[in-house]
Formats: sequence, C-alpha cells, structure tokens
Amino acid sequence: DQQVKQNSPSLSVQEGRISILNCDYTNSMFDYFLWYKKYPAEGPTFLISISSIKDKNEDGRFTVFLNKSAKHLSLHIVPSQPGDSAVYFCAASEEGAQKLVFGQGTRLTINP
Amino acid sequence: EAQVTQNPRYLITVTGKKLTVTCSQNMNHEYMSWYRQDPGLGLRQIYYSMNVEVTDKGDVPEGYKVSRKEKRNFPLILESPSPNQTSLYFCASSLWRAGKLFFGSGTQLSVL
Repeated sequence: DQQVKQNSPSLSVQEGRISILNCDYTNSMFDYFLWYKKYPAEGPTFLISISSIKDKNEDGRFTVFLNKSAKHLSLHIVPSQPGDSAVYFCAASEEGAQKLVFGQGTRLTINP
Repeated sequence: EAQVTQNPRYLITVTGKKLTVTCSQNMNHEYMSWYRQDPGLGLRQIYYSMNVEVTDKGDVPEGYKVSRKEKRNFPLILESPSPNQTSLYFCASSLWRAGKLFFGSGTQLSVL
C-alpha cells in the first residue's frame, strides 16, 4: 500500500518557466513533509521541508505547498533552470515514527 | 566535509555468498538507516538505528542484518543474498528521528 504517491513519473518544462511537482498521501497522521532531489550516481539530497502547521514554505526559487484537507503536497520551482533536471522524491513522516515514507519519484527535465 | 560514506559503489555477487556494505558518517548523528530503491517503488526502509546497540526493522527487513557497535558505522549484511535483493542501496543519517536525512552516494548491488 503506497502511502505517498507521485503519479507523474516524468515532467518536461521549458527553461525559465515554472515546474510543478505533485505528491499525494493517504496517512492523515503525517506531520512533516520533505522534498529530495537526486542526480544520477548520487544519493538524494534534502531540498525543502514543511510541517503540518504551515501551508507554505519558501526557499529561494523553491516553494512547497501543503493542502492538508486534500492530502496533497506540491513543489514549485520558479524559474526553472537546466541544473534542476533531476529526480524529485517527496517524503513524509509522522510524529514518533522512525522512518520517512517516500514517493516513487518524478523525473524533471528542463529544456533549454 | 560532512558526509555519509558507503562502500562499495558497485558490487556483483552470486546467490548465497555473504556480503557486507559499509556505511560511515562523520556528523555525530544519532539516527542511521538503510533504504533500497527499486523502479516504481521509491525508497523503502530496510533497518534503522536510533543509537549505538539500538536497531530495529523497517518495512523490508527480510534477508538483511545490521549492527551498530559504534555511533559512526552502520553496516548492512546480506548473509545469503538472492536475486530479489538486486537493488540500489542507500545509507542515511540524521540528527533526530527520520527528519532531514543525509544520504550516501549509493551501492548498486547485483545478485546473479
């Protein structure tokens, strides 16, 4: 049973435009959400996070939005740059749990 | 430089031949964990450790063992590898629970 789902395996965006990556979850006990970025032959690296008490968190070009009623998380990248081409994983955890639950990943390609 | 170091990066072995994947972190993190990444399934937790001599099972622990004799090291042991353990493995650590994880570069294992 996949508790965290990224339904788009891939996304292609023009350089300079907005990239929107989506993530849905089923466990209402999740209280902390993260996005990781992964380049080929490297481990995932932390990008941005949000706790369930907020609905938005920004860090430079990256903004994460949380819609708790819809159990939906999204990552906005504005403007998109070629270096943003990577696989993006969303992840979630609940208080007291000892693991992050990851989505399947979305491969983002930024076209020049 | 703060990092999580995994070795080896690539490993090809045969069914039944015991192997160990090493993991070491230099950030004095309490929490360490092993994940495997498989196509379409994202990252799934194998085992985790809250501190020295404290380990517990994740979602897919069958066929794996771990130990945490020192804070910095968390090796993954496959006593009798099977082809269904062919996967990309990541070690990760964090200061607390399963929050902002720092990942190693990964170990690509093939079991023939």
